Amino acid sequence: GQQVMQIPQYQHVQEGEDFTTYCNSSTTLSNIQWYKQRPGGHPVFLIQLVKSGEVKKQKRLTFQFGEAKKNSSLHITATQTTDVGTYFCAGNNYGQNFVFGPGTRLSVLP
Amino acid sequence: DAGVTQSPTHLIKTRGQQVTLRCSPKSGHDTVSWYQQALGQGPQFIFQYYEEEERQRGNFPDRFSGHQFPNYSSELNVNALLLGDSALYLCASRLGGARVTQYFGPGTRLTVL
Repeated sequence: GQQVMQIPQYQHVQEGEDFTTYCNSSTTLSNIQWYKQRPGGHPVFLIQLVKSGEVKKQKRLTFQFGEAKKNSSLHITATQTTDVGTYFCAGNNYGQNFVFGPGTRLSVLP
Repeated sequence: DAGVTQSPTHLIKTRGQQVTLRCSPKSGHDTVSWYQQALGQGPQFIFQYYEEEERQRGNFPDRFSGHQFPNYSSELNVNALLLGDSALYLCASRLGGARVTQYFGPGTRLTVL
């Protein structure tokens, strides 16, 4: 079945440094969503990418969808302590449900 | 406008027991999905309900069952609990197909002793 992988598993950065997490699917995706989960919280929707090669920005966050629609990335510029949490990608393979990756846990040192 | 709500917040059960978790979707949402999130892992899809029927199912045994009511609220039932069923159970709701935002509830933390 469809598998979604994310790297790295953990990332520790100094406040102000950049951060990138990568998401790879074993199958071509129709769309991909990104979520953030704070410690002790629940996943919160960040964004959805649908088109091949799509790039979307939300303030300091930049999301990309690969040309082959099998990979995606999330880049955070100049991290802040409020960025702490686990970032999940979730891929949809032309179905009705999403397969989540294992997440990248981000720690930001002040 | 209330978001997705789940009850109870926490639950402790022993092996072999049965449990029922409840979810009320965000106002106006008609589709409810259930996920299991083990500690340190990503959410795993259990099943999805739409129009009171199970529409899709993930790789979970028949011990996991559910129901959706006419008001779109949903229940997740787990029979013959195992230690490995200990996890955060998340409910997510949306209106429409897979290209819309789905909203997660706060989850129910189930501990099986």
